[in-house]
Amino acid sequence: IAGITQAPTSQILAAGRRMTLRCTQDMRHNAMYWYRQDLGLGLRLIHYSNTAGTTGKGEVPDGYSVSRANTDDFPLTLASAVPSQTSVYFCASSDVYGGQLYGYTFGSGTRLTVV
Amino acid sequence: AQKITQTQPGMFVQEKEAVTLDCTYDTSDPSYGLFWYKQPSSGEMIFLIYQGSYDQQNATEGRYSLNFQKARKSANLVISASQLGDSAMYFCAMREASGGSNYKLTFGKGTLLTVNP
Repeated sequence: IAGITQAPTSQILAAGRRMTLRCTQDMRHNAMYWYRQDLGLGLRLIHYSNTAGTTGKGEVPDGYSVSRANTDDFPLTLASAVPSQTSVYFCASSDVYGGQLYGYTFGSGTRLTVV
Repeated sequence: AQKITQTQPGMFVQEKEAVTLDCTYDTSDPSYGLFWYKQPSSGEMIFLIYQGSYDQQNATEGRYSLNFQKARKSANLVISASQLGDSAMYFCAMREASGGSNYKLTFGKGTLLTVNP
């Protein structure tokens, strides 16, 4: 089934530990994104990648890093987790036709708790 | 300033009635797109409807329609004949082609809709 796979589904992480959230898509979409969702704040963009080999910062990039070595994978790394990074993380992908983005396909999310 | 404003944190509607979820946006980009997503309690994000800034007609998808008022910068979602399964969080989002090639969606904070039997 075409779509986005995120792993893990949920994780409890000790503060100060390093963690990589995985995201893989099989739709050959050129753009990928990481959002975090917090109650009352909606979804906020962390990092994005328009094409393989390029990345950019979103609204809340501090404490996070990404890489885009190929089209399909877009991992998000927390170098040293802090409790404020407790959130639900969504990976998304999109394709652009004629310069227009029509929408995202979302993964099912990763629920991360930093203690 | 917020780019997407959803002023209703929560809404209640009776089953089979229509409901309007408000969304206003702020952009200086002449080319933009507006989206609505549904997030049920299971957590997945479900695309509902899209409206382009140059579209002349209001978008419709089954029981969903988007009341697009460009001059007022509003893009309200109308759900007709509400069903119990419509109970969910609803997000309005906007795509701007900022920076030429950075196509990103900016989301509002969401409206939690509860459909009562």
